[in-house]
Amino acid sequence: DIQMTQSPSSLSASVGDRVTITCQASQDISTYLNWYQQEPGKAPKLLIYDASNLEPGVPSRFSGRGSGTDFTLSINSLQPEDFATYYCQQYDDLPPTFGPGTTVDIK
Amino acid sequence: QVHLVQSTTEVKKPGASVKVSCKASGYKFNTYGVSWVRQAPGQGPEWMAWISADNGDTKYAQKFQGRVILTTDTSTSTAYMELRSLRSDDTALYYCAREGRTAVAGHFDYWGQGTLVTVSS
Repeated sequence: DIQMTQSPSSLSASVGDRVTITCQASQDISTYLNWYQQEPGKAPKLLIYDASNLEPGVPSRFSGRGSGTDFTLSINSLQPEDFATYYCQQYDDLPPTFGPGTTVDIK
Repeated sequence: QVHLVQSTTEVKKPGASVKVSCKASGYKFNTYGVSWVRQAPGQGPEWMAWISADNGDTKYAQKFQGRVILTTDTSTSTAYMELRSLRSDDTALYYCAREGRTAVAGHFDYWGQGTLVTVSS
């Protein structure tokens, strides 16, 4: 199985900050990468697909980049509703695998 | 709008089976598939299996092969996941998610609310 790692595991930030989360795959996955946001007690929500495409309805302050093994999710001007846990997930090979998550909390 | 509504919390003893349902609405059920993803407390999500709501094709993660059975009822737009021989480490939130129709696309765009399955003696 393809292993996904994320860093940092958690970060503290303030409203208005720009934050960047990193995801690394254990092998080349091209751009077959999604990002999800999960609020406490809720199901994950798809934010970005194919590494850099915004899911309809997702605010433009979210952006994704990368290809191969290294990817980033950035959030410009953090809003109160953005404090959550973020997961990357590859779908280049079966089974689809998720990273361990990065929790963004309020400083 | 698309909704996936899952059955409620289950508490089971080790060795038992559990069957979770996922009722879809807001789209044509047989034009998509359904994946099942579980999340243990404090862990990242883990993909378990997929079923096509069109032709019933299935794909299982090796870890769950032989212990998970997926079915659909197209007359009620409902997908089912049965997990057998439950162990304590199967305690988790189980989610259904809308997926590719003909193969595992890994693109989970809509999710159910989750079903908590607790395995305890």
